[in-house]
Amino acid sequence: DAGVTQSPTHLIKTRGQQVTLRCSPKSGHDTVSWYQQALGQGPQFIFQYYEEEERQRGNFPDRFSGHQFPNYSSELNVNALLLGDSALYLCASRETAGDGYTFGSGTRLTVV
Amino acid sequence: RKEVEQDPGPFNVPEGATVAFNCTYSNSASQSFFWYRQDCRKEPKLLMSVYSSGNEDGRFTAQLNRASQYISLLIRDSKLSDSATYLCVVGYNTNAGKSTFGDGTTLTVKP
Repeated sequence: DAGVTQSPTHLIKTRGQQVTLRCSPKSGHDTVSWYQQALGQGPQFIFQYYEEEERQRGNFPDRFSGHQFPNYSSELNVNALLLGDSALYLCASRETAGDGYTFGSGTRLTVV
Repeated sequence: RKEVEQDPGPFNVPEGATVAFNCTYSNSASQSFFWYRQDCRKEPKLLMSVYSSGNEDGRFTAQLNRASQYISLLIRDSKLSDSATYLCVVGYNTNAGKSTFGDGTTLTVKP
């Protein structure tokens, strides 16, 4: 049983470009959250998707957007990349509200 | 003030030691509490949920104090393999509720 899978694993982009990160949740999980983790910090909540809708959003600008598909997979889009967007982007899924999340291994984004 | 705050660390302990981490949270409406473990350059992995009555899993004991709004993690008989960053997480029991992570406490267990 595959856990949470993310792609790509690593990505290098130029400032100003746009990027799309992908996530497939663990089988049976319908809630997907995205987190940004900078070096030396805990994961920061970006947003959460449930039933194909954004249900909760953290303190991130509108440049960060997302989508959830009918099969529960999700995408994170970031427009107009800044150097400060360089981080590990983690996708997490859970089966039921109140459960702990299962994380994917993340996408390491470097903006140059 | 951050929503979830953890002991600054780092904690450097010898094998076999007992070590405790604390974590405070600011939102009294929080309903779910967890400890995660994160190894260097890896994803966080769920270590244990934290229940109101306290719970134990082998060498690990977690406790919740709702009145004072803190949770704790106690590790007994530390092993070299316990070296990692421990993240405190606070969330809600709804599908619209986010989970908020602390910045973590780094533990190094030395021979």
